[in-house]
Amino acid sequence: AAGVIQSPRHLIKEKRETATLKCYPIPRHDTVYWYQQGPGQDPQFLISFYEKMQSDKGSIPDRFSAQQFSDYHSELNMSSLELGDSALYFCASRQKNTEAFFGQGTRLTVV
Amino acid sequence: TQLLEQSPQFLSIQEGENLTVYCNSSSVFSSLQWYRQEPGEGPVLLVTVVTGGEVKKLKRLTFQFGDARKDSSLHITAAQPGDTGLYLCAASSGGAQKLVFGQGTRLTINP
Repeated sequence: AAGVIQSPRHLIKEKRETATLKCYPIPRHDTVYWYQQGPGQDPQFLISFYEKMQSDKGSIPDRFSAQQFSDYHSELNMSSLELGDSALYFCASRQKNTEAFFGQGTRLTVV
Repeated sequence: TQLLEQSPQFLSIQEGENLTVYCNSSSVFSSLQWYRQEPGEGPVLLVTVVTGGEVKKLKRLTFQFGDARKDSSLHITAAQPGDTGLYLCAASSGGAQKLVFGQGTRLTINP
């Protein structure tokens, strides 16, 4: 069965650089979530999209933005990267009122 | 304030023992999920509970949803080293609202 695909799996950036993370949800899933997970922490909600419209916003810094495209894939854009942005970034998708499935995540390291 | 409170946060037991992990909230949820996460990987869905009082079994794992749909428990019988991991409960109130997570329970099963 198709799963949530995230790319890249690993990314190393320098401070003040920009990063773009991509998420391809499971086909026919209409909701996409982005989460940030620091070492030893639970996933923290960043932002979600329902039918290509932003549906909810969590603790996403102003330096970050995201969008969902017509083919339902989503991108998380992160600018002016800081050391503290180093974390695992997960994307999850679900169809309305059903359970969410997660991608493998992107490990971002800012040096 | 954590919407979902998991306990214990850390648990280390010997192979063959039984254990229970709790996920509590003051909010009512339309559904609640349990996930298991390995280091560096995305959370993997174990089960979804929907109906108050519902009990679901997955081999040695038993999941229960509270009658009022505010809390849940995960019971593992005869734990094995392969059960080691981070167990997360997550819930939403339906629709396209964000999926919130508990802090997680880091379970270690010692051979």
